[in-house]
Amino acid sequence: AQKITQTQPGMFVQEKEAVTLDCTYDTSDQSYGLFWYKQPSSGEMIFLIYQGSYDEQNATEGRYSLNFQKARKSANLVISASQLGDSAMYFCAMREGNFNKFYFGSGTKLNVKP
Amino acid sequence: DAGVIQSPRHEVTEMGQEVTLRCKPISGHNSLFWYRQTMMRGLELLIYFNNNVPIDDSGMPEDRFSAKMPNASFSTLKIQPSEPRDSAVYFCASSFGTGFAEAFFGQGTRLTVV
Repeated sequence: AQKITQTQPGMFVQEKEAVTLDCTYDTSDQSYGLFWYKQPSSGEMIFLIYQGSYDEQNATEGRYSLNFQKARKSANLVISASQLGDSAMYFCAMREGNFNKFYFGSGTKLNVKP
Repeated sequence: DAGVIQSPRHEVTEMGQEVTLRCKPISGHNSLFWYRQTMMRGLELLIYFNNNVPIDDSGMPEDRFSAKMPNASFSTLKIQPSEPRDSAVYFCASSFGTGFAEAFFGQGTRLTVV
C-alpha cells in the first residue's frame, strides 16, 4: 500500500486566492511526522512545514498551514493568498518506523494564474 | 551553514561507464538519504544511512548501484555499469537525530546516460 497519497496531479489557483493540496497517509504507528516540501522549476527541494502526530494544533508557517485530521489520516497543505512564486511541485512526506524512514508522495503541480 | 552539497551538478556519461555521485551532508546531521527522481517514478528512496550505517537499501534498483558512507561528512552513490534508464536527478538529503526532523536536500545531480 502507498504510504503517502496525493490524488491531485495538477491544480490551478487564481493569484491571491487560497488553495488546498490534499495528502493522505497510511501508518499503524502512533508516533510519526508529516512534512510538506516545495520543488520549484529550478529543481531544489524546499522544506515548508512540519506536523507531529501528537501535535494538537495545526502547524502554521507564514502563508502555509497544515490541516491535520488524524482520524482521517489526512495532512492537507493550505496556502493562503497565493502568489505567482508559489507555482511549483508540492510533495507531502512522512517519517515513521524504528529508524524514521522518509516516504514521499507523487506530488501535486500547482499553477498560480495572474 | 553551507547546506547539503552534491557534486557534480550535472553528469553526462556513456552507457557502460562508471558514475560516482558525491554528497556532503550538513555538519552534525546523522541521517543521510539518497533519492532518485524521474518523471515516471517520482521521488524514490534508494538508501538510508543512520550514523554512517546503511539502515535500508531496499530501494536500490539492482546490483549495479552501490552506496557508501565512510564517515559522517561524506557519502557516495556509484552506478557501475551505467545504463540509459539510470538517467534521472539524484538527490542527497540529511537530517538531524533519529526523531522526526525535516530532511534538507542538496541541489541534486542531473545524470544523463547516453
